[in-house]
Parts: sequence; C-alpha cells; structure tokens
Amino acid sequence: GQQLNQSPQSMFIQEGEDVSMNCTSSSIFNTWLWYKQDPGEGPVLLIALYKAGELTSNGRLTAQFGITRKDSFLNISASIPSDVGIYFCAGQRPNSGYALNFGKGTSLLVTP
Amino acid sequence: DTGVSQNPRHKITKRGQNVTFRCDPISEHNRLYWYRQTLGQGPEFLTYFQNEAQLEKSRLLSDRFSAERPKGSFSTLEIQRTEQGDSAMYLCASSLSPSSYEQYFGPGTRLTVT
Repeated sequence: GQQLNQSPQSMFIQEGEDVSMNCTSSSIFNTWLWYKQDPGEGPVLLIALYKAGELTSNGRLTAQFGITRKDSFLNISASIPSDVGIYFCAGQRPNSGYALNFGKGTSLLVTP
Repeated sequence: DTGVSQNPRHKITKRGQNVTFRCDPISEHNRLYWYRQTLGQGPEFLTYFQNEAQLEKSRLLSDRFSAERPKGSFSTLEIQRTEQGDSAMYLCASSLSPSSYEQYFGPGTRLTVT
C-alpha cells in the first residue's frame, strides 16, 4: 500500500506541554484518520477528517486535513500522562476501495 | 460492551500448524476488515467483507490465508501451515456503511509461531 510518512518517530515531553505530529504522502487521500494504540491493544479512533482544509477537535486533540490532500497533522494540548501511546495516521485513497493505509506511528512519552 | 471482540487474544503455535482466529464486529456494522501488524509498523490491510461477500484482498493474503464471513456477522481468519514470518498481531475492524471510512478495531490476536 501507499506509505504514509509520520514524524516525528518519537517524542518525549513533560506533562502540560503541547504536542504536534504530522503525516505526509506523495499521493492524495480522500479521508484521513488518527488513531491511538496502547501496548497489546488495538488502535482506537480519535478523529476522522473528510474534506481538504477541515479542522476538527476532540477534547484536547485537534487535527487538520491538509489543503493539498497529501498531509494531515494532529495536535494535543496540555498533555497528560495517559496520552502516552503510539499515534497512527491512516488514509483512504481515491478509487482504492475501503482499505486504510497506515503510517509507522509516532511514539509519545509524557513524564509527570 | 458492544465493541469489536477477537478470540483468542494470544496464540502460540508450532511452525506448520494451522490456526484460526475469530472476530465479532460491532452489531449492525456490515463491513468487516482484517489487518496484520508487526512490531514497529502500522497495521497492513489484508481483506474486507461487506456482509458475507469478500470484496477485496491484498497481495499480503497468500494462498495459505483464508477468511470467511458466512452469515455476514462474525468472521474467521485461518492460516494454514504457519511460518515464523506469520508471527504478528492480527487485527479486526468493522465499520457502518455509508460512514465506512471510520473503522473501529478490536483488541487483536497476537500470534507467535515457534
């Protein structure tokens, strides 16, 4: 599948700090989704984006669908220890059915 | 709890054995997906069903893999003649058409082939 490039690969921050991570591709996507995965568990859907330029919030999380349709970012404000985990972006490409393409994830560590 | 469930959560098997995993999607979700995830990687798509019809299969799904969803509810994924390279987390997800791009994942089945 089409590779999505996530950055940074990992982040180590203090509680209370804001976090920003992004996802880019050389191809356009119709849909961007952001998931969080804890060790040994399945990914949990955080935010879904459907239109270029769309900005959507879910509590302390905010995500945007890039204007070019080739990127997306996720911001977490005022991080807390339970934000620890791996964050994945996933995208659905035009004319490619319903399969999602995932990035390799951004690992987030938050110290109290 | 009405989320996606998967059984077993863990499976250890010897190379060459067959294994079968089960997924129960969120009730009323008519699309069901299987993904595989290896360490340090994101999930990779294997196949998906709309009701009982298997509509898409990726090239990752070799002929040793077979998936079924006989009555459009639960699904099974069977791997025959397992190899060490099959060791991975197998994830199932479901979605509700027409909002089908929001896929909800189960906890996964961790397969270890020794």
